[in-house]
Amino acid sequence: KNEVEQSPQNLTAQEGEFITINCSYSVGISALHWLQQHPGGGIVSLFMLSSGKKKHGRLIATINIQEKHSSLHITASHPRDSAVYICAVRGYGGSQGNLIFGKGTKLSVKP
Amino acid sequence: DGGITQSPKYLFRKEGQNVTLSCEQNLNHDAMYWYRQDPGQGLRLIYYSQIVNDFQKGDIAEGYSVSREKKESFPLTVTSAQKNPTAFYLCAPHLRGLDQPQHFGDGTRLSIL
Repeated sequence: KNEVEQSPQNLTAQEGEFITINCSYSVGISALHWLQQHPGGGIVSLFMLSSGKKKHGRLIATINIQEKHSSLHITASHPRDSAVYICAVRGYGGSQGNLIFGKGTKLSVKP
Repeated sequence: DGGITQSPKYLFRKEGQNVTLSCEQNLNHDAMYWYRQDPGQGLRLIYYSQIVNDFQKGDIAEGYSVSREKKESFPLTVTSAQKNPTAFYLCAPHLRGLDQPQHFGDGTRLSIL
């Protein structure tokens, strides 16, 4: 079983729709990251969470530590939001200081 | 971004050839990581280094080697022993602050000729 599970794997939406991507993890973490990867491969950090909720523009990220679950929401989606969204968790110290990645959710927003 | 520079962006390897991927940083990060990404898979840890002249194997180190002679540079060599080297390779620092975003280099896409 993967330590970080994302759903859905693929998501197609119409412009303007509200989008939710989910991430569940099974290990103890010090932080959770939401990342965005564009077709060229470059990865951009969207959020880093250790508790609660963060908002940046149309993006909202939440985390429930007790349930080991995080969600990324996109309000009023736009075709430029089309990308792969990756959830990654960071453990504690040594090799666990590295990130453990989900497989990603490929989002396609149609105009 | 975040002061991480990877080069080249695209790299081609002939059978039996070693190739080296460059990762340079200018933000004084102590810990650096190399990840490999395959289609439909999450990124996986190849090697990491927490300090100069020290490095540790990650989950998929076989067929790879690294060096860390100075803090700014953490090159990854894909050796001929790596039988399936075609992948996207990403270099990233480990940021100790809890409120720090995670930066990555732009990546190197390696293909076999």
